[in-house]
Amino acid sequence: GDSVTQMEGPVTLSEEAFLTINCTYTATGYPSLFWYVQYPGEGLQLLLKATKADDKGSNKGFEATYRKETTSFHLEKGSVQVSDSAVYFCALLRGGYNKLIFGAGTRLAVHP
Amino acid sequence: EADIYQTPRYLVIGTGKKITLECSQTMGHDKMYWYQQDPGMELHLIHYSYGVNSTEKGDLSSESTVSRIRTEHFPLTLESARPSHTSQYLCASSGWNRGNSGNTIYFGEGSWLTVV
Repeated sequence: GDSVTQMEGPVTLSEEAFLTINCTYTATGYPSLFWYVQYPGEGLQLLLKATKADDKGSNKGFEATYRKETTSFHLEKGSVQVSDSAVYFCALLRGGYNKLIFGAGTRLAVHP
Repeated sequence: EADIYQTPRYLVIGTGKKITLECSQTMGHDKMYWYQQDPGMELHLIHYSYGVNSTEKGDLSSESTVSRIRTEHFPLTLESARPSHTSQYLCASSGWNRGNSGNTIYFGEGSWLTVV
């Protein structure tokens, strides 16, 4: 069945460091891919999305490119801030089903 | 930003009590969902609805029940709460409307339930 695999956390970085959080997926067809962010004590916020191969989603300095050949959707940011500390979830949505399948989440901690 | 609201945000109740978690969205979305998430853990779909009078069980078995009498409202009820129900419950919705391609699911801020 469909699944999403994320790199295990926690990821600990210093402010202004480069961030990569790996995400790979298994799905039939052509799913849409998402990154959601969850700040402490809050719900999930959509961070970015991509709906087809080679699409690049971007928001707030974060980027992820839909790579069909490697079934990946890695999240990147060039310079992280303390305020980016949160849990990041990769997810896929297969067309016609409208149910998100989530990865396990990756906790990011950014230190000054 | 999506307009989806959950109440209460935080609730502490005793074992055996009946509780209802409210979820409302003002976007006219036809699809709504409930996810359960233990702190720092994965999200699990427990209920979903594709429209009025439609409800389905999700991937994770839950003792809770849901109803969908109105498009904008998708409450979740626990008839007799137990400590094992302590968790965060996240409501979500998706649907076709202006600015939304229809394949994005938006989440509320969550309801933190503690059963003592």
